[in-house]
Amino acid sequence: ETGVTQSPTHLIKTRGQQVTLRCSSQSGHNTVSWYQQALGQGPQFIFQYYREEENGRGNFPPRFSGLQFPNYSSELNVNALELDDSALYLCASSLRPALNTEAFFGQGTRLTVV
Amino acid sequence: DAKTTQPTSMDCAEGRAANLPCNHSTISGNEYVYWYRQIHSQGPQYIIHGLKNNETNEMASLIITEDRKSSTLIRPHATLRDTAVYYCIVRVETGGGNKLTFGTGTQLKVEL
Repeated sequence: ETGVTQSPTHLIKTRGQQVTLRCSSQSGHNTVSWYQQALGQGPQFIFQYYREEENGRGNFPPRFSGLQFPNYSSELNVNALELDDSALYLCASSLRPALNTEAFFGQGTRLTVV
Repeated sequence: DAKTTQPTSMDCAEGRAANLPCNHSTISGNEYVYWYRQIHSQGPQYIIHGLKNNETNEMASLIITEDRKSSTLIRPHATLRDTAVYYCIVRVETGGGNKLTFGTGTQLKVEL
């Protein structure tokens, strides 16, 4: 158990719809990162939030957006869902956004777009 | 991002040490080596990380060569539950994000 919780665990959406995924970070952690993991591949970095501000972004289109709240929990929003958005979405929290600070992952949300 | 090279798969007998190699020949001086593992359909699990000195914790040991171009993760006394994909990652400063760049990892299979 890492103390990082994600909800929901599974979700099915229709192409064109919007989805919101939620992440509760480990106590005391102010940094949250989101990753997308397609089947058979390693996780790909979407973006990171530090103290409620976006602190880096991967190669994902603007329809992927996020928020971090004062309690450091976070949301990932995806608009205009496409079939290729079907993946495991992972949230990771860390004590701070530093190179030598480990990140702890939640169990992920499995999103299926039909 | 500094690239890592790992074997696609490895086998290990239960009770023996699992030694997982990783090459990172383009690593820079301030970049850390991280190891995570992922058991099927679960979130990645942090194992260990290091800069240049060898590191040990309750899960594993990390041996980094003096030139830092390669490293080995040692999981002593492997059990069936250690069967997973093991990712070697060089963590870089990207001007924001300090992201973990996962490759395809090594599928370790621990057998009786």
